[in-house]
Amino acid sequence: QSALTQPASVSGSPGQSITISCTGTANDVGGYTYVSWYQQFSGKAPKLIIFDVSNRPSGVSTRFSGSKSGNTASLTISGLQPEDEADYYCCSFTSSLALLYVFGTGTKVSVL
Amino acid sequence: EVHVVESGGNFVEPGGSLTLSCAASGFSFPFFAVSWLRQLPGKGLEWVSSVSGDGDKAFYTDSVKGRFTISRDNSKNAVSLHMSSLRAEDTAVYYCARVSGDFWSPENYFDYWGQGTLVTVSS
Repeated sequence: QSALTQPASVSGSPGQSITISCTGTANDVGGYTYVSWYQQFSGKAPKLIIFDVSNRPSGVSTRFSGSKSGNTASLTISGLQPEDEADYYCCSFTSSLALLYVFGTGTKVSVL
Repeated sequence: EVHVVESGGNFVEPGGSLTLSCAASGFSFPFFAVSWLRQLPGKGLEWVSSVSGDGDKAFYTDSVKGRFTISRDNSKNAVSLHMSSLRAEDTAVYYCARVSGDFWSPENYFDYWGQGTLVTVSS
């Protein structure tokens, strides 16, 4: 079971919108409507920011939104701010017999 | 407020054993599955193991099957991960996380994470 594919890095200027893609297969992202996204600052624990493809936990900024089409999920950060600079990971349940959940390769977001 | 705290990370030689602990508070512990996940140095996240809310069911990623054992004590709101036959490739920060339901299913996710504990396997 390979990790879900994400771009290694994405950057943008303050106020811009950026989108991070997360590509899997019909055995994971494409097979379920339950992708989650996690934000991780350097040296810190991951934090849930999106669940069920597009839902935000209480307290998470509305600037974060999620979507999915086929085997690819996406995370969009609108109105990019310096404090959004972090690593972002997608995650999906998988029908693989080798594991239950598969994560994306991770994307480093930089604010220029 | 939900809290998850890991402990037990250490330096161990290849072939050795180590037990990680996870203490949880702030929620009805038996109603939630718990997972261990890890992050290799400079790398991404990897799911390792999960135990159901009642502790009767466990699942492991292939690379640790037969070497790692997850268990929980609902009377103490605690989860353990016993790791044996450790290899250099097990070196990672290990995170304990609450699963959003009492079992693993497609709709569940990891909603609360601990700060992590470092396991280093080296001679």
